[in-house]
Amino acid sequence: DTGVSQDPRHKITKRGQNVTFRCDPISEHNRLYWYRQTLGQGPEFLTYFQNEAQLEKSRLLSDRFSAERPKGSFSTLEIQRTEQGDSAMYLCASSLGRISAYNEQFFGPGTRLTVL
Amino acid sequence: QQQVKQSPQSLIVQKGGISIINCAYENTAFDYFPWYQQFPGKGPALLIAIRPDVSEKKEGRFTISFNKSAKQFSLHIMDSQPGDSATYFCAAKETSGSRLTFGEGTQLTVNP
Repeated sequence: DTGVSQDPRHKITKRGQNVTFRCDPISEHNRLYWYRQTLGQGPEFLTYFQNEAQLEKSRLLSDRFSAERPKGSFSTLEIQRTEQGDSAMYLCASSLGRISAYNEQFFGPGTRLTVL
Repeated sequence: QQQVKQSPQSLIVQKGGISIINCAYENTAFDYFPWYQQFPGKGPALLIAIRPDVSEKKEGRFTISFNKSAKQFSLHIMDSQPGDSATYFCAAKETSGSRLTFGEGTQLTVNP
């Protein structure tokens, strides 16, 4: 399967614990995005990488959240001191960044986080 | 604030009918408008997308209609099938930007 993959698919944690999610983009894609989706809502942008550089962060990304893409391939999203409001589906997407192009974003299956 | 407004929230259509979902936006810098289909427990999948230099784009049973002056666009699903039952999201992006801004979603049910 050459699509975007995410691990784990489901994560249940207790309030105050740290969690880390992984995303593997489509291999030739140099752009990687993280979104958050709560029940009944559309995805909301969190952050975006071009290669290993984090170029944009949403105000939704509080200082408890950190994302990395160390070698421009896979990415990790860490949430420290989780809160019940962090419960959501965390989606990763990737695209082939080209000038003057649509740069279609392809999404992974998501990681569903439940904070008890 | 919600930059892309989507309606209806839910839609029930009979098999073979036409499903129509509407979106409106305010940001005139948006110039790429994709539609995504999402099944329960899955990530959104790109269905079809349009740039504002055309008023309509058709791919199979799916058509996007775009009205630049009204800042509105819509998805039409012809000959709707039970397998089309899913949540549909419109989205928008600025050329110079990276983020997609999504609508709230429409839950489509196609009855057999």
